[in-house]
Amino acid sequence: EAGVAQSPRYKIIEKRQSVAFWCNPISGHATLYWYQQILGQGPKLLIQFQNNGVVDDSQLPKDRFSAERLKGVDSTLKIQPAKLEDSAVYLCASNPPMNRYEQYFGPGTRLTVT
Amino acid sequence: GENVEQHPSTLSVQEGDSAVIKCTYSDSASNYFPWYKQELGKRPQLIIDIRSNVGEKKDQRIAVTLNKTAKHFSLHITETQPEDSAVYFCAASSSGYSTLTFGKGTMLLVSP
Repeated sequence: EAGVAQSPRYKIIEKRQSVAFWCNPISGHATLYWYQQILGQGPKLLIQFQNNGVVDDSQLPKDRFSAERLKGVDSTLKIQPAKLEDSAVYLCASNPPMNRYEQYFGPGTRLTVT
Repeated sequence: GENVEQHPSTLSVQEGDSAVIKCTYSDSASNYFPWYKQELGKRPQLIIDIRSNVGEKKDQRIAVTLNKTAKHFSLHITETQPEDSAVYFCAASSSGYSTLTFGKGTMLLVSP
C-alpha cells in the first residue's frame, strides 16, 4: 500500500512570508493529523481531522496557522506570516478506520524560516 | 491535557548490551502507549505499542512494560545492534479521538 505523501520535502522562506504544505494520506484513512516537530523534540499535534471535520485544533496557533481538508482526503497546512520559531519539520499522519490508534507518518516537510 | 516525560535524553550502549528507556504520563485515562523509532532525517515509525489492559508485550528483541498504577511505561531493547541507533519516542493517548502526546525523545547510540 502507498504511504502518506507530503510535499514539498524542503522549503526555505523569509520571515513574514507565507507557505503551504500538502498531505495525501493513505487511501481509506479517515483520520489525518498535522504535527510540528522542532529539532530535538517530539512531534506536537497541531490539528486532527476526522474526514473533513476538525476534531482537535487546540494547539494550532490560529492567528497564523490554518488547515483544511475540504473533500476528506488530502489536506493543506498554511502559515501566514511565518516567524523564525516556525522552523521545524511538519509531519502529516493518518490512521486506518479499523485501528484508530496506529498512526502512519509521512516523510515530512522541513521548513526553514530565515 | 496529557503530559509525557521521557528519560534519558541520550543513551549510549555497546553492541549486545540492553537498553531501557522510561516514560511517565500524567492522565490516568490514557489507554494506549506506542513507541516510535525515528532515524536521522526519516519519518517516525511505530515499533511496538501496548494498551492499558496489558502489562507487557514482546516482539523479538523489543519489549514494552506498563505500570498503570505508577503511570509509567518502558521500552526494553535486548542484544542491541548498531542499526538500533536512532531517536526513540514514547507517546500516550488519552482522548477518545486517538490524539497522541509525545515525549521529547531518547537518542540511542549503539557502538560496535
